[in-house]
Amino acid sequence: QQQVKQSPQSLIVQKGGISIINCAYENTAFDYFPWYQQFPGKGPALLIAIRPDVSEKKEGRFTISFNKSAKQFSLHIMDSQPGDSATYFCAAPSSGSARQLTFGSGTQLTVLP
Amino acid sequence: GAGVSQSPRYKVAKRGQDVALRCDPISGHVSLFWYQQALGQGPEFLTYFQNEAQLDKSGLPSDRFFAERPEGSVSTLKIQRTQQEDSAVYLCASSLNGARNEKLFFGSGTQLSVL
Repeated sequence: QQQVKQSPQSLIVQKGGISIINCAYENTAFDYFPWYQQFPGKGPALLIAIRPDVSEKKEGRFTISFNKSAKQFSLHIMDSQPGDSATYFCAAPSSGSARQLTFGSGTQLTVLP
Repeated sequence: GAGVSQSPRYKVAKRGQDVALRCDPISGHVSLFWYQQALGQGPEFLTYFQNEAQLDKSGLPSDRFFAERPEGSVSTLKIQRTQQEDSAVYLCASSLNGARNEKLFFGSGTQLSVL
């Protein structure tokens, strides 16, 4: 069974600052690591994902950095905005099935104005 | 529809009651998933359909949980003899082709409270 460990549990940053959330995973035969963003009362929405044939993927203010040898990946949010305040989940495919995603426990991000 | 629709939005059940939760996926989406999200936790996989076939039900916590998608579109998650530990948000997600590692589109969920 895949386990995904996410940290920190909560994060407070000032507007314009950098938010960094980290995840570690266990062995997997599948290479796909998404980050989901969830606002209160809504379902998670895909934010950005990486296939670790690359070590970094950037989309706008959001960047995933991937360290395959350490089995770790992180989300960086540059120029954080109050509208980014949400819960962020990393995920990884379960060991037995690429169609099962195992999610981290979440990071509640608060960006202060 | 424009997105994944789930109903009811909230459900309160007395312990021992049966409940049925409905999911309308995005039209044309082949794959459909159910996840359970406890308060303050990440979603946990329950089951997966490709069209009408239930290909993976390994995450269903007990035989009180049952899911179906008889015509390959709308799905129902049924929980029999509800227990307090079943209280959670039940999320439905769909994806277009059923391929590996596809983007999942989640609904807003059904919040189930068992008293």
